Amino acid sequence: AQSVTQLGSHVSVSEGALVLLRCNYSSSVPPYLFWYVQYPNQGLQLLLKYTTGATLVKGINGFEAEFKKSETSFHLTKPSAHMSDAAEYFCAVNSNTGKLIFGQGTTLQVKP
Amino acid sequence: GAGVSQSPSNKVTEKGKDVELRCDPISGHTALYWYRQSLGQGLEFLIYFQGNSAPDKSGLPSDRFSAERTGGSVSTLTIQRTQQEDSAVYLCASSSWAGRTDTQYFGPGTRLTVL
Repeated sequence: AQSVTQLGSHVSVSEGALVLLRCNYSSSVPPYLFWYVQYPNQGLQLLLKYTTGATLVKGINGFEAEFKKSETSFHLTKPSAHMSDAAEYFCAVNSNTGKLIFGQGTTLQVKP
Repeated sequence: GAGVSQSPSNKVTEKGKDVELRCDPISGHTALYWYRQSLGQGLEFLIYFQGNSAPDKSGLPSDRFSAERTGGSVSTLTIQRTQQEDSAVYLCASSSWAGRTDTQYFGPGTRLTVL
């Protein structure tokens, strides 16, 4: 079985500060991991995904995530937050049947 | 190109009424998924279709929920005898195939409010 835990339902950073959103997973099969972003009243948009190969994955809008098998983690980072990054972020693992299993989400607030 | 579209964007209904939610996937995508997003339960998988295979209905919360996919394209999610706990945003996603590494593209969702 697979599961995802996102630590911190709300994260607040100042504009220009480092963004760190935490995600830990549990998976009985090799995990394929995703980060999605959801802006208000919109659907989910893929930021990045890890399948195989390089463990540091770069995505859109300057985000990146590192897959650490030993820590069962896939934390999302961005060196410098922008006001437009304010949104809800979801980490997900793909089950062995194709469906996505999501964490509870983290709302990112960016303060001017 | 066109993304996943869903209609209606908002639906308000009375308890006990039936509702139909529609999803138009990206053209050529063979896999189609329905998820539900609610405050208490987060994002939950409901059902998915892959080509002509039998759908995976393992996430449907009760027998009041059903879905079909006609012609391998458009899908309709039907909720019969709606209850207040059905209030949520219903999201549809599609992908080019149902492999574990494939990206699912999401529509904007239908916000359902049951009074």
